[in-house]
Amino acid sequence: EAGVVQSPRYKIIEKKQPVAFWCNPISGHNTLYWYLQNLGQGPELLIRYENEEAVDDSQLPKDRFSAERLKGVDSTLKIQPAELGDSAVYLCASSLEQGAIGELFFGEGSRLTVL
Amino acid sequence: AQSVAQPEDQVNVAEGNPLTVKCTYSVSGNPYLFWYVQYPNRGLQFLLKYITGDNLVKGSYGFEAEFNKSQTSFHLKKPSALVSDSALYFCAVRDINTDKLIFGTGTRLQVFP
Repeated sequence: EAGVVQSPRYKIIEKKQPVAFWCNPISGHNTLYWYLQNLGQGPELLIRYENEEAVDDSQLPKDRFSAERLKGVDSTLKIQPAELGDSAVYLCASSLEQGAIGELFFGEGSRLTVL
Repeated sequence: AQSVAQPEDQVNVAEGNPLTVKCTYSVSGNPYLFWYVQYPNRGLQFLLKYITGDNLVKGSYGFEAEFNKSQTSFHLKKPSALVSDSALYFCAVRDINTDKLIFGTGTRLQVFP
């Protein structure tokens, strides 16, 4: 069974440029998460989807970040324009259960460097 | 507010020795507690969770964790460390108010041959 797939693995851009990350969750997992992981820190939730509905986007900086999961399967996270402080690893995870009670399956992450 | 603390940035242990990675929590109500491991340049992998039941939880790769309600701790343990256990370990707790996972800052485990 394929795991959570993320692309690109690495992205280097100049500040003020746009960037997009893509995630394909495990088949059948209706819950999808995007996390931000800064160096030396634990992951922090950006947004959680149940199917195509964003049920928790309270930590998503909406002035520059957007996300979508149109068909309730794969998802895209966009940053426009990127800032130096956005350099981090963006992790996607999926879960069979709703809410934070079950095992999360993480992708390998997309490492963003903003110059 | 719900939170977890991992008091040690790094734990060093010799191969074959027992290891403990510490975690304490602060929650209202009954805690849902988790341990995840992150190998270099990889995503996090689930090790184990405590929701209810036995205080000793067994997980993947020979790891176990002991839930201690009086000490509000959920320490990760393994009887005999392997060099391949060297990784970053994260404790997490479910925030009952927001239904999201709150991760600790992580503890780097280094197992020396």
